[in-house]
Amino acid sequence: QKEVEQDPGPLSVPEGAIVSLNCTYSNSAFQYFMWYRQYSRKGPELLMYTYSSGNKEDGRFTAQVDKSSKYISLFIRDSQPSDSATYLCAMSDDSSASKIIFGSGTRLSIRP
Amino acid sequence: EAGVTQSPTHLIKTRGQQATLRCSPISGHTSVYWYQQALGLGLQFLLWYDEGEERNRGNFPPRFSGRQFPNYSSELNVNALELEDSALYLCASSPRRVKAFFGQGTRLTVV
Repeated sequence: QKEVEQDPGPLSVPEGAIVSLNCTYSNSAFQYFMWYRQYSRKGPELLMYTYSSGNKEDGRFTAQVDKSSKYISLFIRDSQPSDSATYLCAMSDDSSASKIIFGSGTRLSIRP
Repeated sequence: EAGVTQSPTHLIKTRGQQATLRCSPISGHTSVYWYQQALGLGLQFLLWYDEGEERNRGNFPPRFSGRQFPNYSSELNVNALELEDSALYLCASSPRRVKAFFGQGTRLTVV
């Protein structure tokens, strides 16, 4: 079993829809949680960062962490075609980025 | 503020050759991380440099090596290239916290 599981998709939704992306994990020691967005042939871009449990909102993006269920989510409201990308969840039990475990990524496509 | 920059963007090498990839971190960041993103394997941690020293390495053979210079830029060397080394190599820098900021990557193709 992988430490971090993420549905690879592809996920296709119409413009304006609410998108829900999810990851599950097995290591209860994880306490740093991140979401990255990666456009084709580009490097990952840090979207959201959360420490421990709870919600965090930034514009159209909301990140949720449920440590009791070992489950994290990223919600995208009013989705736009420019949101079409691969979304990677990432988490760590240590403050060093060398310990980050990445999900395999979910490919998202927003239809105009 | 300039982000993490990597060069070259693309690199084509023959099996058995050596490849050198370069990375300049965000100004003020002392830590540099190297990752390999191969098709179907996701992001795999390679090496971590901080203050000129190798701090940690991932599960890769010794032919993957590198160094960090006094200005915190870094170099990744891959010796005795194999076909399976074909991947996107990503450099990230961090201000000593868990957040990692990535460059655009170097796409290495081994033929």
